[in-house]
Amino acid sequence: GAGVSQSPRYKVAKRGQDVALRCDPISGHVSLFWYQQALGQGPEFLTYFQNEAQLDKSGLPSDRFFAERPEGSVSTLKIQRTQQEDSAVYLCASSETRLSEQYFGPGTRLTVT
Amino acid sequence: DQQVKQNSPSLSVQEGRISILNCDYTNSMFDYFLWYKKYPAEGPTFLISISSIKDKNEDGRFTVFLNKSAKHLSLHIVPSQPGDSAVYFCAGYRDDKIIFGKGTRLHILP
Repeated sequence: GAGVSQSPRYKVAKRGQDVALRCDPISGHVSLFWYQQALGQGPEFLTYFQNEAQLDKSGLPSDRFFAERPEGSVSTLKIQRTQQEDSAVYLCASSETRLSEQYFGPGTRLTVT
Repeated sequence: DQQVKQNSPSLSVQEGRISILNCDYTNSMFDYFLWYKKYPAEGPTFLISISSIKDKNEDGRFTVFLNKSAKHLSLHIVPSQPGDSAVYFCAGYRDDKIIFGKGTRLHILP
């Protein structure tokens, strides 16, 4: 079946622009996670949803970052007033339940110029 | 403060030999540990895990060893194959969060 998909795959934004990154999880997966991977680093946790409820947003670096999953399936990560330090690959993962294996999407590479 | 450390950025191993990837951690509260494999332009894929109460887990060519007293784990791949060339991430899991190391790039030489 289809895996986790993310769009766009690549995004170039000028500093100060707002961006929206989309994640389509595997159908039926209850849990959804967002990670940020800077160059040369491992993925870092941003936020976690169970269905439509955002249960943990402790990893969001600032109030410019906002995530939603209004119907418990597709999720959007929004970054307002992008800064150069926001340049990274943003990974989405989903899992069948909270404790089961996380399946990652290919990521969105964001470059802020 | 890095909770999971992979101190070798890269490793080269001859095809057919054993690859050993190492990982250290500082947080004793992880429930279990995971290894992920990542190819360029793809997301990480789960490889193998080990509960914090175990000291070894084996799955085919992959074995993970956990030394709790040393706060160290290692992934053994034997025999190494060309398709094993990738970046490998060590990670710890606790409270719904996966904490990743920086990764080690493994090159399998022909």
